[in-house]
Amino acid sequence: EVRLVESGGGSEQPGASLRLSCEASGFSLSSHSMNWVRQAPGKGLEWISYISASGTTIYYADSLQGRFTISRDNAKNSVYLQMNRLRAEDTAVYHCVRELLIPAGRFFDFWGQGTLVAVSS
Amino acid sequence: QSVLTQPPSVSGTPGQRVTISCSGSTSNVGTNTVNWYQHLPGAAPTLLIYAFNQRPSGVPDRFSGSRSDTSASLAISGLQSEDEADYYCASWDNDLNGYVFGTGTKVSV
Repeated sequence: EVRLVESGGGSEQPGASLRLSCEASGFSLSSHSMNWVRQAPGKGLEWISYISASGTTIYYADSLQGRFTISRDNAKNSVYLQMNRLRAEDTAVYHCVRELLIPAGRFFDFWGQGTLVAVSS
Repeated sequence: QSVLTQPPSVSGTPGQRVTISCSGSTSNVGTNTVNWYQHLPGAAPTLLIYAFNQRPSGVPDRFSGSRSDTSASLAISGLQSEDEADYYCASWDNDLNGYVFGTGTKVSV
């Protein structure tokens, strides 16, 4: 059974840092690109970061303005999101998402339940 | 930041057919495949349609997708109460080097 379990969320003050983790099981993490997608309260889904299967290619949403860093450790079956200089607008549920790339296209084929990050003074 | 535009809501009665539009541009929908996700309250989003019109195993054939130029559509035929959810389109954007999501559509039955 494919599982993606996020952890590390919590309540923080503006300017603080948090590190989210995503533990994968039931499949070979090293064969898949991974992404983080967030959903702020009452808002829609927002893609925020991508990391290739080997970790050599990384992309971020412009809205992050260089504050977040994605990484992975395939030996530990884990993907991470280091979040620095947190802002109130970073308050959201953060989902770890597996990507599938096939000749017909690329898409997210499995989502974790998410971990809540709340930023408030 | 949503680059793809969807109607905020659509509604229908059981058994009806409803459609959800997704308007993008040449850098995303016009060039790359469009995927649709269903987000039920309290659950993680799930893949509904990929590569414009392909259904993953387990998705009923009541759900179908299509694309024309820089717009895509999701159709739900034989609407059922369990279809009440938020629906999002998404596509890779070549200019942004990242995925873009639609604004989301709430379906009410």
